[in-house]
Amino acid sequence: QVHLVESGGGVVQPGRSLRLSCVVSGFTFSNYGMHWVRQAPGKGLEWVAGIFYDGRNKYYADPVKGRFTISRDTSKNTLFLQLNSLGAEDTAVYYCAKQKLPLATAGPINYWGQGTLVTVSS
Amino acid sequence: DIQMTQSPSTLSASVGDRVTITCRASQSISSWLAWYQQKPGKAPKLLIYDASTLESGVPSRFSGSVSGTEFALTITSLQPDDFATYYCQQYNSYSPWTFGQGTKVEIK
Repeated sequence: QVHLVESGGGVVQPGRSLRLSCVVSGFTFSNYGMHWVRQAPGKGLEWVAGIFYDGRNKYYADPVKGRFTISRDTSKNTLFLQLNSLGAEDTAVYYCAKQKLPLATAGPINYWGQGTLVTVSS
Repeated sequence: DIQMTQSPSTLSASVGDRVTITCRASQSISSWLAWYQQKPGKAPKLLIYDASTLESGVPSRFSGSVSGTEFALTITSLQPDDFATYYCQQYNSYSPWTFGQGTKVEIK
């Protein structure tokens, strides 16, 4: 079975940094594009960042460009999201997500983690 | 970036009703669009992808269509389990992805 398990969330002060991790299992990690999607309390889904299956290309939503960095470590079956210069607007549940089709540059998401909550507050 | 305008934001309906939710893309995305269902406290679930392909295991009362840059999700006979929030998402290659604002389907 496919599993995606996020960790690293918590309460952080404005302006500080945090690193989220997502350990995956049940599929060949190096064959799939991966993404981070967040959801602020009571709000809709917001795509945050994506990385190609081979790590060559990375894309970011405008609100996080220049502050967040997505990366992957195939040897550890782990996806990362480095969050810098955090603000209150970044408070959300952050989901790790897997694309449906292998070796594709884009495609729908068919598996999601359970999410990890990031709260930015002084 | 490509913007997705989803409507309505809330929809009140009864069991057995036919409901339609629409999403309009700000530019051409071909058929690179998915629909998801989300229930409170849960991760989203993929329903439709490539605008009209039903995900395995999803009931056939769900369907998707496209006309130009306007996409629609239709539920032909609403069931009690269908009361949830629905999102469209475009996944055009080599550019940031975006979700629609969401449509909450409520019991009338």
